[in-house]
This record gives sequence, structure tokens and C-alpha cells, in this order.
Amino acid sequence: GAVVSQHPSRVICKSGTSVKIECRSLDFQATTMFWYRQFPKQSLMLMATSNEGSKATYEQGVEKDKFLINHASLTLSTLTVASAHPEDSSFYICSARVQGLGGYTFGSGTRLTVV
Amino acid sequence: GDSVTQMEGPVTLSEEAFLTINCTYTATGYPSLFWYVQYPGEGLQLLLKATKADDKGSNKGFEATYRKETTSFHLEKGSVQVSDSAVYFCALSDPLAGTALIFGKGTTLSVSS
Repeated sequence: GAVVSQHPSRVICKSGTSVKIECRSLDFQATTMFWYRQFPKQSLMLMATSNEGSKATYEQGVEKDKFLINHASLTLSTLTVASAHPEDSSFYICSARVQGLGGYTFGSGTRLTVV
Repeated sequence: GDSVTQMEGPVTLSEEAFLTINCTYTATGYPSLFWYVQYPGEGLQLLLKATKADDKGSNKGFEATYRKETTSFHLEKGSVQVSDSAVYFCALSDPLAGTALIFGKGTTLSVSS
């Protein structure tokens, strides 16, 4: 149980285009979703926290106009990388807190490559 | 603020060797502690966790004990396998605040046959 499905797993896009990444909680309601970014051989950097029905809270240094997060329902959160550039190439991972189990479940990640 | 410090890698071992990956934490409250594993190109999988002092988390031969007196949560395995090669992340959370996990920098483990 407590599965988060993340799509796409890989995406290659041209510079200047926008890319949407979806995370769906399949068998539970994710009131809170966390979005991380991971550079090669580095740890996960928290980008933002999204709560269903409200605006996301962004970490310091993360551009909210570039990384648009929407959490319109209890089972879906999306991250849109607006006007992507090569420096946005990275591995993006979502995570949901699982109520009652005291833990967190992660999506399988999205490898974004901007060319 | 809260933080997690892991030993630097990479750790290179032969199959059946004993593994220890050190993890210490700094926290103002009473955190929950976790170990996650990441295989190449994949997301994170929960390996084990502990929610209070002296708890021992265990899974797939891996163990870690929540030591409040030394603020540590070291990961151990008695006999590693090639399939254990991955990146291991120590993490903590504040169960009352419900905030995001705070991760260590990760330790790469490479096991050879």
C-alpha cells in the first residue's frame, strides 16, 4: 500500500519548452506532497511542499515562477518546469507523507534532460 | 536547524564482508529516523526506520539502532551481497511537525564478487 505513481520517468525537451511531471497517490490520500531535486551523485534537495487546495511553500532559492506546483486534489500533485533550460536538467522526485504509518513514500523519479 | 551527517563514500567491499555506514543527527525534538536506498536511475525505497530511542529497525539483513545518547543511527549488515550495491541515505523527520524528510548526503556502496 501507500504507492505514489510518478510520470513521466524520463523526458527530453528542447530549451524554452515547459514540462509537466505528475505524481498520483494510488491507494491513499496525499494531503501533503514534497518535491525534491537531485543532482548527480548528490543528495535530495527539498524544493517545495504542497498541500491540497493551497499554495505551495517553496524553499529558499527555488524560483516559484519556474517550478510551478499544483495540488488540486488529494491524489494528484504536479510540478511544471516552465521555459526549461539546460541547467534545469536533473532528477525530480516527489514524496508523500503517509498518515498513520509515520513514514514517507516516494515516486520513482523523473529524469529531465533539456537540450 | 535539524540535520543529518553521513560518512563519506564510496564504500567498497567484497561480497560477504561486514558493512557499517555511520549516521549522526542533530535535532531539537524527538525525530523519527530512516534509512533509504536508491538503486541507479530509480527513486528511493524505505529500507528501515525507528521512531524512538533504543528502537531497532531491520529489513533484508540490514539493521540500525536509534541511539539517543550518541545521536546516531548507524546502518549495519553482517554479510553484504553484490545486489546491495546502491546509494544509502540516512534521514530524519519531525513526526509532530509533519515536515519533509531531511536527508544526509548519501553513501555509495559498491560490492564486488
